[in-house]
Amino acid sequence: DQQVKQNSPSLSVQEGRISILNCDYTNSMFDYFLWYKKYPAEGPTFLISISSIKDKNEDGRFTVFLNKSAKHLSLHIVPSQPGDSAVYFCAAMSNRDDKIIFGKGTRLHILP
Amino acid sequence: DSGVTQTPKHLITATGQRVTLRCSPRSGDLSVYWYQQSLDQGLQFLIQYYNGEERAKGNILERFSAQQFPDLHSELNLSSLELGDSALYFCASSVDAGASLDTEAFFGQGTRLTVV
Repeated sequence: DQQVKQNSPSLSVQEGRISILNCDYTNSMFDYFLWYKKYPAEGPTFLISISSIKDKNEDGRFTVFLNKSAKHLSLHIVPSQPGDSAVYFCAAMSNRDDKIIFGKGTRLHILP
Repeated sequence: DSGVTQTPKHLITATGQRVTLRCSPRSGDLSVYWYQQSLDQGLQFLIQYYNGEERAKGNILERFSAQQFPDLHSELNLSSLELGDSALYFCASSVDAGASLDTEAFFGQGTRLTVV
């Protein structure tokens, strides 16, 4: 049973537009959420995170929104740039057991 | 460069064999996490060690085991290998063991294991 779900395997967005990557989770004990970006042949790199006590966290072009009642979070990239083309993993953690649970990832293609 | 080093980068071995993957965490990081990435499963958490002791266990098969040594490097041992074990194995490290506003996990570049 997948506790962290990224239902879109891929997404194509025009350069300059907004990219929205979605993530749903099932475990209400998760209290910290992270987004990782992964280029081919490289390990995932941390992008942005949000604690469950917040509903929004912004870092430059990247904003993560958390909707606890819907158990949903999203990553917004504005404006999208060619270098944003990568696989994005949503991840969740709980203070109870310290595991980082990842979704399957969404491949983002930024079109020229 | 994340500061996490994994060796070897590539490994090709036959079914039934045993291999050891090695991970050196970032300097100062006490936690090491192991993940398996296969085409259809995404990143699957296997196991976490914190300061030498097993901290959390995920979907790790009984044929697999890990340990963290006093110098904090970690090894993942995969035995009785099957074709389905072919995957990218990532190691990550973090400063502490708990989820907090400052916790991040930094990943190595992974070891690509091919079982033939």
